[in-house]
Amino acid sequence: DTEVTQTPKHLVMGMTNKKSLKCEQHMGHRAMYWYKQKAKKPPELMFVYSYEKLSINESVPSRFSPECPNSSLLNLHLHALQPEDSALYLCASSPWDRGNTGELFFGEGSRLTVL
Amino acid sequence: AQSVTQPDIHITVSEGASLELRCNYSYGATPYLFWYVQSPGQGLQLLLKYFSGDTLVQGIKGFEAEFKRSQSSFNLRKPSVHWSDAAEYFCAVGARTNAGKSTFGDGTTLTVKP
Repeated sequence: DTEVTQTPKHLVMGMTNKKSLKCEQHMGHRAMYWYKQKAKKPPELMFVYSYEKLSINESVPSRFSPECPNSSLLNLHLHALQPEDSALYLCASSPWDRGNTGELFFGEGSRLTVL
Repeated sequence: AQSVTQPDIHITVSEGASLELRCNYSYGATPYLFWYVQSPGQGLQLLLKYFSGDTLVQGIKGFEAEFKRSQSSFNLRKPSVHWSDAAEYFCAVGARTNAGKSTFGDGTTLTVKP
């Protein structure tokens, strides 16, 4: 059982829609991440929040907008996406108690299809 | 810059046979090393990790991995594979100085023959 919960599991949206992906963790972790994963590829880092502040933005297009309302929640707001944005979006958290070791706890992902 | 190489794109083993998945890394100091497993349509699950100390680490689901500094390797092993082990396996390097950015290998797909 994963302790990082992502909703929705599946999302289909048109290119003019606005939608959001949500992520929640209750492990007391202080770093949270959004990754994008295409089929048969490793996850690609999009954003990192540490202590609720955005610490890394990997030059992600502005049609993706992250938000960290508190230490347990992470959102990814989607607007005017392109079909090539269709992918599995993974949320992860990390303890960050000895600095950031890179140990990641992933959710099961949100499968996004953009029509 | 750190990097991870998984030389085997696809491995097929028979159920009950032993397994070894290779991982080589490039990093200037002692890295933090991880193996993750991903079943189809699922997220990644941490199998095991190496931070320091004993170079042979035990993980979940009967997996183990050995850190060999001289070979810059962190190979994953399992003595007897089960059909449920069929999945994608990713090796990753983390680094305290890299501000939260782990580096993943390209993955190895494991197929298990009955």
